[in-house]
Amino acid sequence: GQNIDQPTEMTATEGAIVQINCTYQTSGFNGLFWYQQHAGEAPTFLSYNVLDGLEEKGRFSSFLSRSKGYSYLLLKELQMKDSASYLCAVRDPWDDKIIFGKGTRLHILP
Amino acid sequence: GAVVSQHPSRVICKSGTSVKIECRSLDFQATTMFWYRQFPKQSLMLMATSNEGSKATYEQGVEKDKFLINHASLTLSTLTVTSAHPEDSSFYICSARDREREKYNEQFFGPGTRLTVL
Repeated sequence: GQNIDQPTEMTATEGAIVQINCTYQTSGFNGLFWYQQHAGEAPTFLSYNVLDGLEEKGRFSSFLSRSKGYSYLLLKELQMKDSASYLCAVRDPWDDKIIFGKGTRLHILP
Repeated sequence: GAVVSQHPSRVICKSGTSVKIECRSLDFQATTMFWYRQFPKQSLMLMATSNEGSKATYEQGVEKDKFLINHASLTLSTLTVTSAHPEDSSFYICSARDREREKYNEQFFGPGTRLTVL
C-alpha cells in the first residue's frame, strides 16, 4: 500500500523561509513530486526528485532521501502569493500512478 | 509548455442527469490521461487511468458504470458522470502525460471542472 504523510497546515511570515516535510511508505518508488495548488485551481508542478539530494529551482528547493522515505520542500523569501496547498506525491513504478498526500495548507502572514 | 484544457470549467445539474467532462491535451500527444476527484480541503484522489485506445483502469471503490471514461484519441479523454447525485458534487481534474516526455514522469493538469449536483 501507499501512505504519504505531510503536515495539515503551516504558517509563516512574508520574507521568511519555510520547510514542508513529507514522509512516505510505499511498496515501490519511482520519483517524488511536489505540486502547488491554489484554492479552486488545479495543481501546478513544482519539482520532481528521483535521486537523493537537493534540487534547487529559484526560490523553491526540494530534497529527497530514499533510504529514509523522506522529502522536504523549502520555500525561501516567502511572498503572499505562496499561500496555497502544497502536495507531496509519489509515483508507483509498477502502474505509473501518482499518489498524492493530503497536502499542506501554507498560510503567509504579512 | 504542455497545456491541458478541461471543459466545462463549471457545471450545475439536476440529480439524475448525466454530465460529460472533456480533457484535451492542446500541444502534445497524451498516451495516458488520469482522472482525479477532489473534495473540499481533501487531496486529489485518483479515480481512473485512461489509456488511448483501450479500456480505462479504475481505482478500487470507483464505479466504472457510473463514471464512464473514453480515451478515443491521443489528445482527448472524456469522463461522463451518469445519473449524477449530490454526493458526486466535487472538483474533477484530469492530467495527461506527454509521450515525448514520459521519461520525466511529469503529469500536466487541466484546470479542473467544478460539478454541483442539485
